[in-house]
Amino acid sequence: GEEVAQTPKHLVRGEGQKAKLYCAPIKGHSYVFWYQQVLKNEFKFLISFQNENVFDETGMPKERFSAKCLPNSPCSLEIQATKLEDSAVYFCASSQSDYTYNSPLHFGNGTRLTVT
Amino acid sequence: GESVGLHLPTLSVQEGDNSIINCAYSNSASDYFIWYKQESGKGPQFIIDIRSNMDKRQGQRVTVLLNKTVKHLSLQIAATQPGDSAVYFCAEPNAGGKLIFGQGTELSVKP
Repeated sequence: GEEVAQTPKHLVRGEGQKAKLYCAPIKGHSYVFWYQQVLKNEFKFLISFQNENVFDETGMPKERFSAKCLPNSPCSLEIQATKLEDSAVYFCASSQSDYTYNSPLHFGNGTRLTVT
Repeated sequence: GESVGLHLPTLSVQEGDNSIINCAYSNSASDYFIWYKQESGKGPQFIIDIRSNMDKRQGQRVTVLLNKTVKHLSLQIAATQPGDSAVYFCAEPNAGGKLIFGQGTELSVKP
């Protein structure tokens, strides 16, 4: 498609429950990025993929967070045993290459995760 | 360390006036900057970009100015409209295309 599609739009989980978020990148885009926006004004990079391979995972809290991008499937971000502090909007973005000059990131509209 | 930040968290302007949103960066080697607009409930939307070999770049009603001497860039919106109300972020790419975002300025347009 021509847009980055994220599902679900909203997700509510009790503390300790698992949360799974999905992202379908723009067709033809090889790079997928996940960001976490906790406060309205701050973005935190989590992980990026080049096709199905992890490209950069320096932002991932590895104890409870995992992510995958498998062929012919939406990419996913999974949080095991959610904590209150995981409440945030999670954005997925895709691009044609890692050379940002020629391929700016296109963002989805996010999944709002609320942990109660 | 490397960072991108904004001077003001909020900006309120009258409809029809020009808006100026500022951004400071710390890495003198930074060579590419992007402005994003984020409307309520949506993801960041690309507005305009500029490379370090330019001082100014114009788009439709928007202009970005880059001052490398003081490591400052600004986004100017001409004839601001209610639809321009949003949070504006400056950003620069790190290695591997990862974007480093500034903190955002919330623009409110008064009718």
